[in-house]
Parts: sequence; C-alpha cells; structure tokens
Amino acid sequence: GAVVSQHPSWVICKSGTSVKIECRSLDFQATTMFWYRQFPKQSLMLMATSNEGSKATYEQGVEKDKFLINHASLTLSTLTVTSAHPEDSSFYICSAIHPGQGINGYTFGSGTRLTVV
Amino acid sequence: DQQVKQNSPSLSVQEGRISILNCDYTNSMFDYFLWYKKYPAEGPTFLISISSIKDKNEDGRFTVFLNKSAKHLSLHIVPSQPGDSAVYFCAASGNAGNMLTFGGGTRLMVKP
Repeated sequence: GAVVSQHPSWVICKSGTSVKIECRSLDFQATTMFWYRQFPKQSLMLMATSNEGSKATYEQGVEKDKFLINHASLTLSTLTVTSAHPEDSSFYICSAIHPGQGINGYTFGSGTRLTVV
Repeated sequence: DQQVKQNSPSLSVQEGRISILNCDYTNSMFDYFLWYKKYPAEGPTFLISISSIKDKNEDGRFTVFLNKSAKHLSLHIVPSQPGDSAVYFCAASGNAGNMLTFGGGTRLMVKP
C-alpha cells in the first residue's frame, strides 16, 4: 500500500532557530502534498498545499515566511519552521494522494511533534 | 466557521456493543466523506469512505451512513473491540483531488 514517511518524528529546538520537517512518498509520486497542524485535543488544520515545481498554496492566516514549503521533487516535500517560537509547538502532519486510488488515496505521514523551548 | 463538526468529544462503549460516532457538515458542495482513526503522536489511518451518491457503505465491522438532507453522517462499529479505542475524525472533500476538511474528532474508549 501507499506509504508516506515523515521525519523527524519529534524534535525539540530553541526559540529563534529553524526546523526542517521532511515528507516523502516512498512508493508513489505525489505532485501534491498537504501539510496539517494539530494542537492538543483539536482537529487537523490544513496549513498549505505543496505543489511540485511551483509555489505552495497557503491557507488563510498561515504565514508564508514563517512556514517555508519546498516541493522540489515528486517524492519529497519539506516544511521549514523559521525562527521558531514556543507558540509554534504543535504536531505537524503531511499527507499525499496516491494516484489512481481516488479519495481513498489520501495517505498521512506519522507526524512530527515540535517543541520549541 | 467549522464546516465539519463532531459534537461529541468522547464516547465510552462496552466491548461487544455498537459504537456510533456522529459527524455533521454545513457545506453542500462536499461530495466525499471519510473516517480516520488516529492514535496519539501518529498520523491518521484511513478507515472507510462514502460518496454522496450513496447512503451506506460497509466494510467488515465498520459501516458509514450518510444522510444528505440532514447533512449528517455516522460511523457504526459492531462489535466494538478494545483495540478500537482511539480518536476518530470525519473528513470531507469537494472532490478526490482537493484538500480534506476535518471535524474535531471523537475519542472512543472501548471498555473490556
């Protein structure tokens, strides 16, 4: 079945530093990937849609300069949290759509727990 | 504006009984609905989906019912097992290529 690998699974960083999260589709090519954020006991909120070879599409209220997305290949999208602050601490999850599987083809990574101290 | 809502934050059920998780939506343009199961610190796992042209879809112990006129869907798990204990999210999409809009989740606890 379709597999999406997300790395790292957890990271602790100091305020002011940047953190990069990788999302890879292991057995399929993904022209589109999605980045979600989940606060404790809340829903998954879409942050941005990552498009291979072009700029990401950000949801309203998400700072483009803070959450840099790069989708340089058909199997890799990265999310960089720049100048991280404690309020950026959250659970970040990526998703990719396996082509040919329709709506059921949404496959999620295992998530990254970011803690900014 | 929450377009997908799960009004019950938690549900406790005895093993062997039926679990019914509910979800309401407001956007009539949604035409695909999905249920995901999620454990802490993990990504959601797909369970079952339903197209808006259907009112029921069944897969083993899981059945999803869709009432378009009421903009309501429900997930039935029969019989419930302790391993079903997790957070369940319903999600909706305008088409297969679009992003998903998630509900707030319902924590299901199945007691042995």
